[in-house]
Amino acid sequence: DIQMTQSPSSLSASVGDRVTITCRAGQSISTFLGWYQQRPGKAPNLLIYTASSLQSGLPSRFSGSGSGTDFTLTISNLQPEDSATYYCQQSHSTLLTFGGGTKVEIK
Amino acid sequence: EVQLVQSGAEVKKPGESLKISCKGSGYSFTTYWIGWVRQRPGEGLEWMGNIYPGDSDTKYSPSFQGQVTISADKSINTAYLQWSSLKASDTAMYYCARLSGGFPHYFEHWGQGTLVTVSS
Repeated sequence: DIQMTQSPSSLSASVGDRVTITCRAGQSISTFLGWYQQRPGKAPNLLIYTASSLQSGLPSRFSGSGSGTDFTLTISNLQPEDSATYYCQQSHSTLLTFGGGTKVEIK
Repeated sequence: EVQLVQSGAEVKKPGESLKISCKGSGYSFTTYWIGWVRQRPGEGLEWMGNIYPGDSDTKYSPSFQGQVTISADKSINTAYLQWSSLKASDTAMYYCARLSGGFPHYFEHWGQGTLVTVSS
């Protein structure tokens, strides 16, 4: 399995802040990485695919970057509705794996 | 509109069997992979396995191989996840999700989840 490690595990930020979450793969996965948002009590929702492509209809304050083993999800201008847990997921291998998650709290 | 509707919550005893379902609509059911994802209470997402309903090709996470069975009935656009003997540690929310077309695979559309509680 390809291990995916996210950091930090949680963070607290204010409305309007810029937030960065990192995801590291145990081996190179090119740009085969997705990011998901999961609000409390809800199913996850795909935000970003292929490391940097924003899913249709989602706000442009979400962006992704990276390749190889190191990736970032950036939320610029943090909004109250962004309070959620964010997960990365690699799709380089047919054996898919998720990162452990990063909980984003609004101060 | 793509929709995945999962069966309702279940309460079972250890050792019992269970089969939960995921019915797809709004797209060609046989031409997209469907995956199952476990989320234990307060924990993260764990990929369990995928099935391609067109030919029932199935891939399992090594962590779940032999522990569950994933199947599909393309005549009724429904995928299944089943256990032959539940354990307390199987208590979790289980999500089905339709994967994106082609490769690489991302979980593009999700069901609402099925809560499985296993308790004596």
